[in-house]
Amino acid sequence: DAKTTQPPSMDCAEGRAANLPCNHSTISGNEYVYWYRQIHSQGPQYIIHGLKNNETNEMASLIITEDRKSSTLILPHATLRDTAVYYCIVRGAKTSYDKVIFGPGTSLSVIP
Amino acid sequence: GAVVSQHPSRVICKSGTSVKIECRSLDFQATTMFWYRQFPKQSLMLMATSNEGSKATYEQGVEKDKFLINHASLTLSTLTVTSAHPEDSSFYICSAPSGLNYGYTFGSGTRLTVV
Repeated sequence: DAKTTQPPSMDCAEGRAANLPCNHSTISGNEYVYWYRQIHSQGPQYIIHGLKNNETNEMASLIITEDRKSSTLILPHATLRDTAVYYCIVRGAKTSYDKVIFGPGTSLSVIP
Repeated sequence: GAVVSQHPSRVICKSGTSVKIECRSLDFQATTMFWYRQFPKQSLMLMATSNEGSKATYEQGVEKDKFLINHASLTLSTLTVTSAHPEDSSFYICSAPSGLNYGYTFGSGTRLTVV
């Protein structure tokens, strides 16, 4: 079973911030949180990752709660091209070769 | 960054024939490759894990004789769908661990249609 849970779908108005939550209540101390997105008929694309500090890159921001049991991916100014399925997964630094089970992810629809 | 090249991007084959899908890690070594299958409006479903120089590990319910996996080198893993049938039509994606910066790098996927 996937180690994360996400809402199945969300809508966001174009130009507004999209906040996508993820629960990972069983995360262990050495596991990172990774976010990927999959645009229709393409392979998943890396967005961002973090361990316990908040992170920001050119694509998004990642906010991880202090207890690390949940996180939020923030797309600050959503565009129509951000419409995709977003997946949150956890993986350990030294267990990268362990298989990853994907949950259903969150289908984000950006509305004009 | 880490890149996984997957070919072909789409293939149509006749029922009963075999199809080979290749995944190459272009700028890093992939001792492990994960193979996923994805049906419309569903998430990625892990089929098997291939390891360079050893036998692949298949997930429960995946027929190893139908989905042949070969990981011949540190940069190449192949999935062969043997005796394909229409129910094998799906989107197949490979993925390799690619370090902490990216976690896993995914191929662009192969759309298989069996007619």
